[in-house]
Amino acid sequence: EVQLVESGGGLVQPGRSLRLSCAVSGFTFDAYAMHWVRQAPAKGLEWVSGIGWDSSAIGYADSVQGRFTISRDNAKNSLYLQMNSLRAEDTALYYCVKGMGDSLYYGTDVWGQGTTVTVSS
Amino acid sequence: AIQMTQSPSSLSASVGDRVTITCRASQGIRNDLGWYQQKPGKAPKLLISAASSLQSGVPSRFSGSGSGTDFTLTISSLQPEDFATYYCLQDYNYPQTFGQGTKVEIK
Repeated sequence: EVQLVESGGGLVQPGRSLRLSCAVSGFTFDAYAMHWVRQAPAKGLEWVSGIGWDSSAIGYADSVQGRFTISRDNAKNSLYLQMNSLRAEDTALYYCVKGMGDSLYYGTDVWGQGTTVTVSS
Repeated sequence: AIQMTQSPSSLSASVGDRVTITCRASQGIRNDLGWYQQKPGKAPKLLISAASSLQSGVPSRFSGSGSGTDFTLTISSLQPEDFATYYCLQDYNYPQTFGQGTKVEIK
């Protein structure tokens, strides 16, 4: 069974940093791109960032470009999101999402349950 | 970034009704579009990929069509468990972009 388990969320002050992690199991991690998608309270879905199977291709939403860094460790079956200079508008439930292929040009299929990030003083 | 305009934003329907949701892309995206269902407090679930490919285990009352800029999700006979919010997502290029969502409510 494919499983994606996010961790690292919490309450953080504006301007501070947080690192999210996603531990995966049940599929060949290094064969697929991975993504982070977020959902602000009572709002729609927003793609945040994606990374290809070998980390050679990386993309970010304009809203996080320059502040967030996505990475992966294929040996540890883990995905990460380093979030710096956090803003109130980054408050959301962050989902780890499996791609349907090895590049960023495929859709997404399996989602984790999410980890909540709250940015507030 | 490619804009995805989804309509309607909400609709009320009865069990057994035929429901249609549309997504329009701001530029051509071939058939690089997926449809997701999200129930309250749950993660989204992929229903359809590549505009019309039904995912394993998804009931056949769900169908998708379209190519280029205009896409449709159809539920042929709405069931009680189908009341949820539906999103489209273009994966033609990145940043990938979602539609605003359509909330399907009970009439």
